[in-house]
Amino acid sequence: AQSVTQPDIHITVSEGASLELRCNYSYGATPYLFWYVQSPGQGLQLLLKYFSGDTLVQGIKGFEAEFKRSQSSFNLRKPSVHWSDAAEYFCAVGLHGSSNTGKLIFGQGTTLQVKP
Amino acid sequence: DTAVSQTPKYLVTQMGNDKSIKCEQNLGHDTMYWYKQDSKKFLKIMFSYNNKELIINETVPNRFSPKSPDKAHLNLHINSLELGDSAVYFCASSQDLGSGQYFGPGTRLTVT
Repeated sequence: AQSVTQPDIHITVSEGASLELRCNYSYGATPYLFWYVQSPGQGLQLLLKYFSGDTLVQGIKGFEAEFKRSQSSFNLRKPSVHWSDAAEYFCAVGLHGSSNTGKLIFGQGTTLQVKP
Repeated sequence: DTAVSQTPKYLVTQMGNDKSIKCEQNLGHDTMYWYKQDSKKFLKIMFSYNNKELIINETVPNRFSPKSPDKAHLNLHINSLELGDSAVYFCASSQDLGSGQYFGPGTRLTVT
């Protein structure tokens, strides 16, 4: 069955420090992969996406993610975290196929706290 | 302009009532979705419509009935509300899988 695992439920980093949020997926076909951010009381905003091509993808707000097929991972990174990055981060796999097209399977989310 | 909008933002109601949540997108997308986010922030798809046609219907109680009057609107009607229906409901839209989904601000439903 398809699944997405975000091993870290909660991460705290200091402002200005680097960040890596982990995401592992299980899916039999070539995955469509996404990272979303949810600020408190808000909807989800798409940070970046991958489905083919260069395995290092750039997103908004200075985020990037690297797809590693051998590790079934799609980790999110940012070189220097800002206080405004404090939010909930979700990794998702997009399913394709006649009965599943467009369906997103989300990970459990990682809460990012930023210390001043 | 808001790309995906939902009304109401908050909904407090009693068990047994019937309520509706409305969603509209002005992105010209063909596909719209409803997701449920529980108290642990876990997100799960409920329904998906493509050009007014139901294409994904997860294991959701039949008290939940989506309706798409046109491809820019996808409403969610819930009958006989139960305590367990309390959650945040998100509407989303997309043009295709690769472009990603765009989410509305959510509707926080509280059933007392």
